[in-house]
Amino acid sequence: QQQVKQSPQSLIVQKGGISIINCAYENTAFDYFPWYQQFPGKGPALLIAIRPDVSEKKEGRFTISFNKSAKQFSLHIMDSQPGDSATYFCAASPWAGNMLTFGGGTRLMVKP
Amino acid sequence: ETGVTQSPTHLIKTRGQQVTLRCSSQSGHNTVSWYQQALGQGPQFIFQYYREEENGRGNFPPRFSGLQFPNYSSELNVNALELDDSALYLCASSLRQGSRDGYTFGSGTRLTVV
Repeated sequence: QQQVKQSPQSLIVQKGGISIINCAYENTAFDYFPWYQQFPGKGPALLIAIRPDVSEKKEGRFTISFNKSAKQFSLHIMDSQPGDSATYFCAASPWAGNMLTFGGGTRLMVKP
Repeated sequence: ETGVTQSPTHLIKTRGQQVTLRCSSQSGHNTVSWYQQALGQGPQFIFQYYREEENGRGNFPPRFSGLQFPNYSSELNVNALELDDSALYLCASSLRQGSRDGYTFGSGTRLTVV
């Protein structure tokens, strides 16, 4: 069964701290692992994505770490800001543009 | 470059009725997918359309159907609405092949079935 398990469900971080969200997948056919950010009343917006040929990808304050052997990947948000408060979803698919399997989401709150 | 637009933004229907949701793809995208997002959960894949044909389907019954038009816009139709169909319905467009950017999502249609 294609599943993506995400943890934690909710996260509270102080401004300037590091937010870490973890995901694990089962299907070895997955080859594209995006993270989405969703604000209330809006659709998910692509934040950053990685393919398993690299172990880490960084874009600004956002970093994805990928462990292919463990079938796990994580999102790190450095210097977290109140504007980062949103729900974050990890996802996986066989390739970009194909059906996405989403994790259950993490509601992040960054306290001023 | 325009993004993905969905209409209507909100909708209230009665159980047993039928509903049609609409989506305009992002310019340059030729594939459209629909997702259902229940409150507090991650989006669930309904189906994908490419070249006006269904190109993959998730675990949804046949009363969920769709169309893609030559201009790549799309409709999601749901017949015999049930209370559990209440959700945010998301449309997402993408390139079938060769895209490094994956999906672009619209803001969704909030459907409430009473």
